[in-house]
Amino acid sequence: DAGVTQSPTHLIKTRGQQVTLRCSPKSGHDTVSWYQQALGQGPQFIFQYYEEEERQRGNFPDRFSGHQFPNYSSELNVNALLLGDSALYLCASSTQGALNQPQHFGDGTRLSIL
Amino acid sequence: AQSVTQLDSQVPVFEEAPVELRCNYSSSVSVYLFWYVQYPNQGLQLLLKYLSGSTLVESINGFEAEFNKSQTSFHLRKPSVHISDTAEYFCAVSPLGGSQGNLIFGKGTKLSVKP
Repeated sequence: DAGVTQSPTHLIKTRGQQVTLRCSPKSGHDTVSWYQQALGQGPQFIFQYYEEEERQRGNFPDRFSGHQFPNYSSELNVNALLLGDSALYLCASSTQGALNQPQHFGDGTRLSIL
Repeated sequence: AQSVTQLDSQVPVFEEAPVELRCNYSSSVSVYLFWYVQYPNQGLQLLLKYLSGSTLVESINGFEAEFNKSQTSFHLRKPSVHISDTAEYFCAVSPLGGSQGNLIFGKGTKLSVKP
């Protein structure tokens, strides 16, 4: 049973470019959350998708957008990349309403902006 | 709004010694509490959680944490650490009644276990 898988594992972009990161949730999970973890910091919540809609959003600009597909997989898109967007981007999946079941995290995509 | 403070950024300790990683939180509403562990180049793994009931919660690998509402703390303890416990540990909260996806994390504590 595969856990949460993210692709790519590493990515290098330059300022102003656009990037798409991908996440496949753990089997049986229907909710995907995205986090940004800057170097030396804890993860910060970007947004959460359930039933193909953005349900909650953290304090991130509109340059950060996402999508969830009918198979529950998700994409994170970032436009007009800034140097400060360099970070580890983590995807986590869960089952909506199942608080006794833990959220599962992927190993992340490390994004470097030059 | 909620916030989490992890009081120590780094904790060095010798193998088989006890350890405590401190976590305090601030919130205007009741919260769920979590500890996650992150090994190098990996994502986060749930170590233990407090949702309700007994204020002392335990993990399968010997860690425990106690929820103290009056002190708004959720410190993580282990009576005897192993080299394999070397990792970064994150304390997190989410508001009661909310989705568990919206976690607010502390900045992390790097635990370094030396032989």
